[in-house]
Amino acid sequence: AQSVSQHNHHVILSEAASLELGCNYSYGGTVNLFWYVQYPGQHLQLLLKYFSGDPLVKGIKGFEAEFIKSKFSFNLRKPSVQWSDTAEYFCAVNAGSSASKIIFGSGTRLSIRP
Amino acid sequence: GAGVSQSPRYKVAKRGQDVALRCDPISGHVSLFWYQQALGQGPEFLTYFQNEAQLDKSGLPSDRFFAERPEGSVSTLKIQRTQQEDSAVYLCASSLLGRDRHREQYFGPGTRLTVT
Repeated sequence: AQSVSQHNHHVILSEAASLELGCNYSYGGTVNLFWYVQYPGQHLQLLLKYFSGDPLVKGIKGFEAEFIKSKFSFNLRKPSVQWSDTAEYFCAVNAGSSASKIIFGSGTRLSIRP
Repeated sequence: GAGVSQSPRYKVAKRGQDVALRCDPISGHVSLFWYQQALGQGPEFLTYFQNEAQLDKSGLPSDRFFAERPEGSVSTLKIQRTQQEDSAVYLCASSLLGRDRHREQYFGPGTRLTVT
Protein backbone atom coordinates (compact mmCIF):
# COMPACT_ATOMS: atom_id res chain seq x y z
CA ALA A 1 0.00 0.00 0.00
CA GLN A 2 1.10 3.54 -0.66
CA SER A 3 2.31 5.49 2.33
CA VAL A 4 3.99 8.76 3.21
CA SER A 5 6.41 9.16 6.10
CA GLN A 6 7.27 12.42 7.77
CA HIS A 7 10.06 11.79 10.19
CA ASN A 8 9.81 14.92 12.28
CA HIS A 9 6.71 15.23 14.41
CA HIS A 10 7.58 18.62 15.92
CA VAL A 11 10.34 21.00 14.88
CA ILE A 12 11.28 24.11 16.85
CA LEU A 13 13.48 26.75 15.26
CA SER A 14 14.49 30.33 15.86
CA GLU A 15 13.73 33.01 13.31
CA ALA A 16 16.23 33.15 10.42
CA ALA A 17 17.24 29.52 10.90
CA SER A 18 17.20 27.22 7.89
CA LEU A 19 14.49 24.59 7.60
CA GLU A 20 14.39 21.14 6.12
CA LEU A 21 11.43 18.82 6.70
CA GLY A 22 11.81 15.23 5.60
CA CYS A 23 9.29 13.30 3.53
CA ASN A 24 9.55 9.81 2.07
CA TYR A 25 6.93 7.90 0.17
CA SER A 26 6.49 4.30 -0.83
CA TYR A 27 5.42 3.80 -4.42
CA GLY A 28 7.48 2.59 -7.33
CA GLY A 29 5.66 4.24 -10.20
CA THR A 30 4.95 7.75 -11.40
CA VAL A 31 3.94 10.09 -8.61
CA ASN A 32 2.62 13.57 -8.08
CA LEU A 33 3.95 15.11 -4.88
CA PHE A 34 2.62 17.91 -2.73
CA TRP A 35 3.33 19.89 0.38
CA TYR A 36 0.30 21.39 2.11
CA VAL A 37 0.39 23.84 5.00
CA GLN A 38 -2.19 24.51 7.69
CA TYR A 39 -1.71 27.76 9.59
CA PRO A 40 -3.35 28.01 13.02
CA GLY A 41 -7.11 28.31 12.63
CA GLN A 42 -6.98 28.09 8.85
CA HIS A 43 -7.67 25.37 6.31
CA LEU A 44 -5.18 23.33 4.34
CA GLN A 45 -3.44 25.26 1.58
CA LEU A 46 -1.18 24.05 -1.19
CA LEU A 47 2.42 25.16 -0.64
CA LEU A 48 3.98 23.56 -3.71
CA LYS A 49 3.63 20.58 -6.04
CA TYR A 50 5.70 18.38 -8.29
CA PHE A 51 4.22 16.70 -11.35
CA SER A 52 7.14 16.36 -13.77
CA GLY A 53 10.20 18.18 -15.10
CA ASP A 54 12.67 20.02 -12.90
CA PRO A 55 12.89 18.09 -9.63
CA LEU A 56 13.56 21.30 -7.70
CA VAL A 57 10.20 22.92 -7.17
CA LYS A 58 9.65 26.42 -5.87
CA GLY A 59 6.50 27.30 -4.01
CA ILE A 60 4.96 30.23 -2.22
CA LYS A 61 6.56 32.18 0.63
CA GLY A 62 10.12 31.16 -0.25
CA PHE A 63 9.61 27.43 0.18
CA GLU A 64 11.12 24.87 -2.16
CA ALA A 65 11.24 21.09 -2.34
CA GLU A 66 13.45 18.63 -4.14
CA PHE A 67 12.20 15.38 -5.62
CA ILE A 68 14.87 12.68 -5.44
CA LYS A 69 13.43 9.66 -7.20
CA SER A 70 16.20 7.27 -6.15
CA LYS A 71 15.54 8.08 -2.50
CA PHE A 72 11.74 8.27 -2.78
CA SER A 73 12.02 11.62 -1.05
CA PHE A 74 10.47 15.07 -1.39
CA ASN A 75 12.00 17.20 1.36
CA LEU A 76 10.78 20.72 2.03
CA ARG A 77 13.29 23.51 2.55
CA LYS A 78 13.41 27.19 3.36
CA PRO A 79 16.69 29.06 3.85
CA SER A 80 15.44 31.49 6.50
CA VAL A 81 12.22 30.93 8.43
CA GLN A 82 9.96 33.61 9.87
CA TRP A 83 7.66 33.56 12.87
CA SER A 84 4.72 33.53 10.45
CA ASP A 85 5.84 30.11 9.18
CA THR A 86 4.54 28.55 12.37
CA ALA A 87 2.10 25.94 11.09
CA GLU A 88 1.49 22.24 10.44
CA TYR A 89 3.08 20.91 7.26
CA PHE A 90 1.82 17.86 5.40
CA CYS A 91 3.58 15.97 2.66
CA ALA A 92 1.29 14.11 0.26
CA VAL A 93 1.43 11.84 -2.77
CA ASN A 94 -0.99 11.10 -5.57
CA ALA A 95 0.11 7.93 -7.27
CA GLY A 96 -0.56 5.10 -9.63
CA SER A 97 -3.99 3.96 -10.67
CA SER A 98 -5.58 5.77 -7.76
CA ALA A 99 -5.03 9.09 -9.40
CA SER A 100 -7.93 10.57 -7.54
CA LYS A 101 -6.91 10.15 -3.96
CA ILE A 102 -4.09 11.91 -2.14
CA ILE A 103 -2.23 10.06 0.57
CA PHE A 104 -1.05 12.35 3.35
CA GLY A 105 1.74 11.99 5.86
CA SER A 106 1.02 12.49 9.54
CA GLY A 107 2.31 16.05 9.48
CA THR A 108 5.13 18.05 11.06
CA ARG A 109 4.34 20.82 13.48
CA LEU A 110 6.73 23.75 13.01
CA SER A 111 7.13 26.24 15.82
CA ILE A 112 9.22 29.36 15.28
CA ARG A 113 10.61 31.25 18.25
CA PRO A 114 10.52 35.02 17.62
CA GLY B 1 -14.12 33.70 -6.02
CA ALA B 2 -15.51 31.69 -3.17
CA GLY B 3 -13.59 28.69 -1.94
CA VAL B 4 -14.87 25.37 -0.69
CA SER B 5 -17.35 25.81 2.14
CA GLN B 6 -18.51 23.30 4.71
CA SER B 7 -21.30 23.29 7.25
CA PRO B 8 -21.67 23.02 10.10
CA ARG B 9 -18.19 24.00 11.24
CA TYR B 10 -18.72 22.23 14.55
CA LYS B 11 -21.06 19.38 15.42
CA VAL B 12 -21.56 17.62 18.72
CA ALA B 13 -23.51 14.39 18.56
CA LYS B 14 -24.48 11.88 21.18
CA ARG B 15 -23.36 8.35 20.48
CA GLY B 16 -25.92 6.62 18.31
CA GLN B 17 -27.19 9.77 16.61
CA ASP B 18 -27.05 10.28 12.86
CA VAL B 19 -25.22 13.30 11.44
CA ALA B 20 -25.08 14.96 8.03
CA LEU B 21 -22.16 17.11 6.93
CA ARG B 22 -22.42 19.40 3.93
CA CYS B 23 -19.83 20.48 1.37
CA ASP B 24 -20.19 23.21 -1.25
CA PRO B 25 -17.33 22.86 -3.74
CA ILE B 26 -15.84 25.62 -5.85
CA SER B 27 -18.18 26.40 -8.71
CA GLY B 28 -17.29 24.43 -11.81
CA HIS B 29 -15.13 21.89 -10.01
CA VAL B 30 -16.01 18.46 -11.24
CA SER B 31 -14.18 16.38 -8.65
CA LEU B 32 -15.04 16.28 -4.96
CA PHE B 33 -13.29 14.46 -2.16
CA TRP B 34 -13.97 13.72 1.49
CA TYR B 35 -11.20 13.14 4.03
CA GLN B 36 -11.19 12.33 7.73
CA GLN B 37 -8.53 13.92 9.93
CA ALA B 38 -8.09 12.53 13.42
CA LEU B 39 -6.33 14.61 16.05
CA GLY B 40 -2.60 14.76 15.40
CA GLN B 41 -2.83 12.92 12.11
CA GLY B 42 -2.88 13.78 8.44
CA PRO B 43 -6.10 13.65 6.45
CA GLU B 44 -7.19 10.19 5.35
CA PHE B 45 -9.10 9.66 2.13
CA LEU B 46 -12.73 8.58 2.45
CA THR B 47 -14.40 8.90 -0.94
CA TYR B 48 -14.29 10.63 -4.34
CA PHE B 49 -16.91 11.89 -6.76
CA GLN B 50 -16.64 12.89 -10.37
CA ASN B 51 -19.78 14.90 -10.98
CA GLU B 52 -22.55 12.83 -9.39
CA ALA B 53 -20.73 9.52 -9.77
CA GLN B 54 -19.02 8.10 -6.72
CA LEU B 55 -15.93 6.58 -8.31
CA ASP B 56 -14.02 5.55 -5.21
CA LYS B 57 -15.37 4.83 -1.76
CA SER B 58 -12.57 2.60 -0.61
CA GLY B 59 -11.75 4.80 2.37
CA LEU B 60 -15.14 4.74 4.04
CA PRO B 61 -14.47 2.99 7.36
CA SER B 62 -17.78 1.20 7.68
CA ASP B 63 -21.24 0.91 6.19
CA ARG B 64 -22.36 3.57 8.66
CA PHE B 65 -20.69 6.11 6.41
CA PHE B 66 -22.51 7.21 3.29
CA ALA B 67 -21.82 10.05 0.86
CA GLU B 68 -23.83 11.46 -1.98
CA ARG B 69 -23.63 14.21 -4.59
CA PRO B 70 -26.93 13.85 -6.43
CA GLU B 71 -26.64 16.84 -8.76
CA GLY B 72 -22.90 16.89 -9.18
CA SER B 73 -22.40 19.95 -7.00
CA VAL B 74 -23.16 19.97 -3.27
CA SER B 75 -22.21 16.82 -1.40
CA THR B 76 -23.36 15.37 1.90
CA LEU B 77 -21.47 12.95 4.09
CA LYS B 78 -23.79 11.06 6.40
CA ILE B 79 -22.73 9.05 9.41
CA GLN B 80 -25.31 6.79 10.97
CA ARG B 81 -25.29 5.63 14.58
CA THR B 82 -22.22 7.68 15.42
CA GLN B 83 -19.52 6.17 17.61
CA GLN B 84 -16.83 7.89 19.65
CA GLU B 85 -14.16 6.81 17.19
CA ASP B 86 -15.94 8.89 14.55
CA SER B 87 -14.80 12.05 16.33
CA ALA B 88 -12.54 13.87 13.87
CA VAL B 89 -12.39 16.77 11.46
CA TYR B 90 -14.08 15.95 8.17
CA LEU B 91 -12.52 17.77 5.24
CA CYS B 92 -13.97 18.33 1.83
CA ALA B 93 -11.86 19.20 -1.21
CA SER B 94 -12.66 19.92 -4.83
CA SER B 95 -10.67 20.10 -8.03
CA LEU B 96 -11.02 20.74 -11.73
CA LEU B 97 -10.94 17.61 -13.82
CA GLY B 98 -8.12 18.07 -16.26
CA ARG B 99 -7.20 15.90 -19.19
CA ASP B 100 -4.34 14.46 -17.22
CA ARG B 101 -3.76 13.46 -13.66
CA HIS B 102 -2.64 16.88 -12.49
CA ARG B 103 -5.42 17.53 -10.05
CA GLU B 104 -4.75 20.18 -7.46
CA GLN B 105 -7.24 19.87 -4.65
CA TYR B 106 -8.65 22.88 -2.79
CA PHE B 107 -9.72 22.22 0.76
CA GLY B 108 -12.56 23.57 2.84
CA PRO B 109 -12.28 24.56 6.52
CA GLY B 110 -13.63 21.23 7.73
CA THR B 111 -16.36 20.14 10.11
CA ARG B 112 -15.19 19.15 13.58
CA LEU B 113 -17.37 16.30 14.80
CA THR B 114 -17.33 15.38 18.46
CA VAL B 115 -19.25 12.30 19.55
CA THR B 116 -20.01 12.16 23.27
